[in-house]
Amino acid sequence: QLQLQESDPGLVKPSETLSLTCTVSGGSISGSGYYWGWIRQPPGKGLEWIGAISYSGTTYYNASLQRRVTISVDTSKNQFSLKFSSVTAADTAVYFCARQGWDILYWGQGTLVAVSS
Amino acid sequence: EIVMTQSPATLSVSPGERATLSCRASQSVKDNLAWYQQKPGQAPRVLIYGASTRATGIPARFSGSGSGTEFTLSISSLQSEDFAVYYCQQYDDWPRCSFGQGTKLEIK
Repeated sequence: QLQLQESDPGLVKPSETLSLTCTVSGGSISGSGYYWGWIRQPPGKGLEWIGAISYSGTTYYNASLQRRVTISVDTSKNQFSLKFSSVTAADTAVYFCARQGWDILYWGQGTLVAVSS
Repeated sequence: EIVMTQSPATLSVSPGERATLSCRASQSVKDNLAWYQQKPGQAPRVLIYGASTRATGIPARFSGSGSGTEFTLSISSLQSEDFAVYYCQQYDDWPRCSFGQGTKLEIK
């Protein structure tokens, strides 16, 4: 059974860079046919797709966020990562990592990242 | 960017009755649409993909229909565990995707 687990950065200060890592277990991140994505959900609000990466490093980003977002992959560690720069309080959210097929069958449990001084 | 709009925002239905949720795309997404259920404190769970195909293990009381820009999720004979928030997701330009704002299904 594939499992995904986000790291827990906790509190991030405004204007700093949010960094998250997703560790994949129970399967290889190097399998073809899937992308590895990040999705966030502000408290009490809906889901927002941030971006995704293939095992070979091809990236796609949400156009409204892409100037602040970088997603990378480390196949040797079976991990992929998110960096989100210049954060503000509006970036406070639960951040999910996920395996993207046509649908999204596998999700991490989510990690709450709060942006506050 | 394809904008997904769900209606209503909140739907109140009695257990045992039928619920019908709607999702509209700002442009055609063909049948590249999925539905998710989310309960408090949990990640979303996929119910339907390809607009009408139930995911593995999803009960037959869940059904999806539509294509192009108009989609519907129907839940027949609501059970207590069905009261949750439901999201539609388009993946026509996969892996790019976008979600609707959600419909909260609550007990009447």
